[in-house]
This record gives sequence, structure tokens and C-alpha cells, in this order.
Amino acid sequence: LAKTTQPISMDSYEGQEVNITCSHNNIATNDYITWYQQFPSQGPRFIIQGYKTKVTNEVASLFIPADRKSSTLSLPRVSLSDTAVYYCLVGDIRGGGGKLIFGQGTELSVKP
Amino acid sequence: EAQVTQNPRYLITVTGKKLTVTCSQNMNHEYMSWYRQDPGLGLRQIYYSMNVEVTDKGDVPEGYKVSRKEKRNFPLILESPSPNQTSLYFCASSLTSGSNEQFFGPGTRLTVL
Repeated sequence: LAKTTQPISMDSYEGQEVNITCSHNNIATNDYITWYQQFPSQGPRFIIQGYKTKVTNEVASLFIPADRKSSTLSLPRVSLSDTAVYYCLVGDIRGGGGKLIFGQGTELSVKP
Repeated sequence: EAQVTQNPRYLITVTGKKLTVTCSQNMNHEYMSWYRQDPGLGLRQIYYSMNVEVTDKGDVPEGYKVSRKEKRNFPLILESPSPNQTSLYFCASSLTSGSNEQFFGPGTRLTVL
């Protein structure tokens, strides 16, 4: 199973772009990369998922290099409400890979 | 409203007293999973189920049991709780087709004295 490594914490200011990188050196061919956001006392919430290259939705972008050994979640122009813990997850439920290992998460603090 | 529900939300119990935390989803998801969350350790998977009557161990299954008799329900059973099972527990569900997106419940905060 691919193990993920992320920075424990990051600080930013409102209006800045934030990039959080996740390392997953042992990613399997069928694995997808998924990012979740978690606020205190709530369950994690899906942000974005990708397999390779770049994926963009209304809240974030996900950059995945060709070797897929890392990925970068990009949050454009963060606000105070983006203060949360962000988790990178590698796996593929669709392919029968039900055993999933979350990393320790990155605690993002956005300051005014 | 599509959701995952957990009960109870908070529970304080004593060592050795059997308990069950229920999890139910109304999205007809095949996949369901239980996680525990502890400070500094992130989310760790306890058990998961790919479909009815199909369950398997996650990363930290010791001291827990699960069952999947119906598609919508996935209860977590602690036969003899111990203080080291004091934690925040999350249930999640997902389709096994389409996106890998998991939908998480609100969490159950368990304290074992």
C-alpha cells in the first residue's frame, strides 16, 4: 500500500495561493490520488481527485507529475475559512482496493 | 438528503462494557469503512466492507468487530472496550464505481474509562 507523506503544518495569509505537496513513492498503477479537507469536529470532505497531469474544479487544482510519485494540491486565493487539515489519500476503491491509508494531514492556518 | 449518520455522537463508557456504534447511509453505496482519529496520528482505517457480507481488516482492526448484513448499515462493535480505544470515530461510504469519493459521517467521540 502506498504511504503518503505531507508537511505537518503550513501558514498562509488571506488572498495568497497555497500549495500542499504529498509524496507517495510507492503508488500503484491503478491508484488514484484524492484530497480531503477536515474542519474541527467534522468528518473529512472530498475536495478533488486525479490520476495524472492536472485536474481543476471550482475549489482547487491538483497537479500530478508524470512519475506520479507526488502530487500538489493548489488552493487559489485562500480565505480564513480555508483554515483546516488537508489529507492526501492514495488508493482505488473502484479497483477493489478497499484498504486505504491516510497520511497525517497538513494543518493549514490562514491569517488575515 | 444524502448522508451518513452515526449514533451515538458522544459516548462515555467503562472498560469491558460491550458497545456498538451504528453507521447508516442512504446513498446505496457498496463500500463502507470505519476510521479512528487520534491527535498526531491522522485517520486510521479499522475495517472496511466492499459490499454486503464482505468485510476486511484495515490498518488497526484489533479490538473491533464489524458486520454488513444490509447494504445501508455497517455497525462497529467493541466487545470489551479498553481506554486505548478512546478516540474519535468516523464512518464513511462510497460507490465502487465512478469516483473514489468517500462521504463521511459526523463522527462519534468515545471515551473509555
